[in-house]
Amino acid sequence: GQQLNQSPQSMFIQEGEDVSMNCTSSSIFNTWLWYKQDPGEGPVLLIALYKAGELTSNGRLTAQFGITRKDSFLNISASIPSDVGIYFCAGQWTYKYIFGTGTRLKVLA
Amino acid sequence: DSGVTQTPKHLITATGQRVTLRCSPRSGDLSVYWYQQSLDQGLQFLIQYYNGEERAKGNILERFSAQQFPDLHSELNLSSLELGDSALYFCASSGTSGGNQETQYFGPGTRLLVL
Repeated sequence: GQQLNQSPQSMFIQEGEDVSMNCTSSSIFNTWLWYKQDPGEGPVLLIALYKAGELTSNGRLTAQFGITRKDSFLNISASIPSDVGIYFCAGQWTYKYIFGTGTRLKVLA
Repeated sequence: DSGVTQTPKHLITATGQRVTLRCSPRSGDLSVYWYQQSLDQGLQFLIQYYNGEERAKGNILERFSAQQFPDLHSELNLSSLELGDSALYFCASSGTSGGNQETQYFGPGTRLLVL
């Protein structure tokens, strides 16, 4: 099925470091969503972005809706061990949701 | 807690069998989406219902079917099960049929194991 390009695919970082991941698409979206999924659990919504250029924070997380409406990034500041998991971006257009391939984050204490 | 519920949480069955997965959307949400996630893979969209009617189809096999009932809960039926159908199945719900400022919330999933 159709998917967004999400990078990096995986990353190891030291506790306390900042993390950045992004999603790009050839299509424009009305909404960008970022989710975190723990093993065997359902994706949990972290941040929702509704407007091009919008920058939104949720605690240590910051995400932006790209001006072209074709990309988005998620930053995590001062990572902690519980940030481990898979992060998915999703773009929404009409009733369609397209998901990124995921970024697997591993934090070294 | 997203407000989306799914049952059962785990399901073990044999090849050739048929199972039904159930989802209740968040209160007030009219749209239900079904996704399949195989081991270490991304989310594959299967099908969407809006207010009882099928709205969109993704990579859903002919052996799979779904419906949304008047009370808005949804069921995903998987038949003639094969080993490769073993996966996590997620339901998600959203408020409307696809306007602006849409947000999708996921249930905890049903883990299906076909032996």
